[in-house]
Amino acid sequence: QKEVEQDPGPLSVPEGAIVSLNCTYSNSAFQYFMWYRQYSRKGPELLMYTYSSGNKEDGRFTAQVDKSSKYISLFIRDSQPSDSATYLCALRGGATNKLIFGTGTLLAVQP
Amino acid sequence: GAVVSQHPSWVICKSGTSVKIECRSLDFQATTMFWYRQFPKQSLMLMATSNEGSKATYEQGVEKDKFLINHASLTLSTLTVTSAHPEDSSFYICSAFRASGGNNEQFFGPGTRLTVL
Repeated sequence: QKEVEQDPGPLSVPEGAIVSLNCTYSNSAFQYFMWYRQYSRKGPELLMYTYSSGNKEDGRFTAQVDKSSKYISLFIRDSQPSDSATYLCALRGGATNKLIFGTGTLLAVQP
Repeated sequence: GAVVSQHPSWVICKSGTSVKIECRSLDFQATTMFWYRQFPKQSLMLMATSNEGSKATYEQGVEKDKFLINHASLTLSTLTVTSAHPEDSSFYICSAFRASGGNNEQFFGPGTRLTVL
């Protein structure tokens, strides 16, 4: 079993839709939860950073962490074509600063 | 967010040659940098953790004699792919770890695309 599971997609939605992206994980030691956005042929860009359980909102983006279910989500409201990218969840915890990445979900927002 | 640069952004080389990739944190000091490799349509795979002034820690399955990492200063880490072969062709991405109170973050460089002919 992988430490982090993420549906690779692709996920195609119309402009304006609410997008839900998710990851599950198996290691309860993870305490830091990140979402990165990666455009084609570019490095990942940090979108959201959450410590422990709860919700965090930043503009059109909301990150949720449910540690009891080992489930994290990223919601994008009013999605735009410019949101089309690969979204990667990344987790960190325990005695290491290493990030463990999900496989990434490819999102396409159709105009 | 903080800025991390990589140089070169892309490189094409002949099989058997060595290629050096630089990773710099431009506006903060990074005691730890990470090197990742990403194949098309796949996620980032951690290759090694680079700590300033000490030897890098390599992930299982990564040849340390093939992928030489040097972290000579708090703002610079280099990855040298020695005797490169076509199977080493990939997208190499570095990240720099910034510890800021309780808010520890990794900032990624733009990546270097290596093509070995």
